[in-house]
Amino acid sequence: AQTVTQSQPEMSVQEAETVTLSCTYDTSESDYYLFWYKQPPSRQMILVIRQEAYKQQNATENRFSVNFQKAAKSFSLKISDSQLGDAAMYFCAVNSGYALNFGKGTSLLVTP
Amino acid sequence: DTGVSQNPRHKITKRGQNVTFRCDPISEHNRLYWYRQTLGQGPEFLTYFQNEAQLEKSRLLSDRFSAERPKGSFSTLEIQRTEQGDSAMYLCASSLEEGPTSYEQYFGPGTRLTVT
Repeated sequence: AQTVTQSQPEMSVQEAETVTLSCTYDTSESDYYLFWYKQPPSRQMILVIRQEAYKQQNATENRFSVNFQKAAKSFSLKISDSQLGDAAMYFCAVNSGYALNFGKGTSLLVTP
Repeated sequence: DTGVSQNPRHKITKRGQNVTFRCDPISEHNRLYWYRQTLGQGPEFLTYFQNEAQLEKSRLLSDRFSAERPKGSFSTLEIQRTEQGDSAMYLCASSLEEGPTSYEQYFGPGTRLTVT
């Protein structure tokens, strides 16, 4: 069975600072995809960033980047220059076939 | 492109009643997924369609749950004889069938079900 673990239930960051959210996973697949989704309060899930497991280069999308360590099965999300609008639940996910397996999420608080 | 839409957004029902939710995917997306999300948890996969064919079902999808996608466009999720444990947010997502972004799923706003 595939598991996704987010060990930080809550994180806090000051505006303009950098924060890293952790995610570890377990999979028996050799080829898979990893995702970070953002879910603002009472709003829908938004895809933040995607990483293909076969690619060694870490994905980057503007202020969002990942640190993908395949051997360690670790997939952390770094948010640079944090903004108030970044406050949300962040979910790490790994695909199992076409289904996504999600972690329990990390609640990110951004303070002025 | 209006994104994935779901109706209704909220549903309150009494235990034992049947409910039906609708999902309209992004128009060019052939794949459609249903997930359930309870408080404090990440979404859990329920089922997946490619066009009108239901190709995968989770063990979470009990006999009281049924999903359809009759013409390969919108989908419905029906829960019969609702139980209080069915209270959750039901999320729909869609994705392309082919290409490098086929694994990217785009979510709708969800239908929040409360069973009293």
